[in-house]
Amino acid sequence: DGGITQSPKYLFRKEGQNVTLSCEQNLNHDAMYWYRQDPGQGLRLIYYSQIVNDFQKGDIAEGYSVSREKKESFPLTVTSAQKNPTAFYLCASSIENAGTGWYQPQHFGDGTRLSIL
Amino acid sequence: KNQVEQSPQSLIILEGKNCTLQCNYTVSPFSNLRWYKQDTGRGPVSLTIMTFSENTKSNGRYTATLDADTKQSSLHITASQLSDSASYICVVPGGFGNEKLTFGTGTRLTIIP
Repeated sequence: DGGITQSPKYLFRKEGQNVTLSCEQNLNHDAMYWYRQDPGQGLRLIYYSQIVNDFQKGDIAEGYSVSREKKESFPLTVTSAQKNPTAFYLCASSIENAGTGWYQPQHFGDGTRLSIL
Repeated sequence: KNQVEQSPQSLIILEGKNCTLQCNYTVSPFSNLRWYKQDTGRGPVSLTIMTFSENTKSNGRYTATLDADTKQSSLHITASQLSDSASYICVVPGGFGNEKLTFGTGTRLTIIP
């Protein structure tokens, strides 16, 4: 079955620690995204990548970093510079409709819940 | 600034009843609008996508409507089931070829037996 796998499901971060959230997709999608979800707020975009070895900052990139070395993988690192990391993190992917510039609706993983120890 | 507002914030209905969720958006230029269902602790799942030329689209017991003139959309759920309990999120992309999405805060729907 094609889909997006996020791991771990739950993650705890100590003060001053960097942690990395994994996102793997086998949908052969070009574009991948990271979102943060907080209670009572809409999803907010952290980073996105439309091709391998290229990525762009979203609306709330400060304190986060990403890499896109493979099409299938888009890991997110929450650095110690992110002072309020407690949230539900969602990874998504999508594919362009054959040269139209339009994208299919994004397909989401089941998230990683990050908490501070 | 692009915005998507949803109402109500939360809704509780009896199993078997119908309900309608609302979405107002101020996103320009407009290309399409999407409704997602998000179960607790899971990622959102796409229910429907509507382009500017579509007024109504159904997906089983879910029917979405779009009025591009008033910038409003609704999601109507018929004969609700316990499994419909979830958050329903309205999402609008930034424009043609722009996959930077604006998300509503969602409507939390609870179906009680």
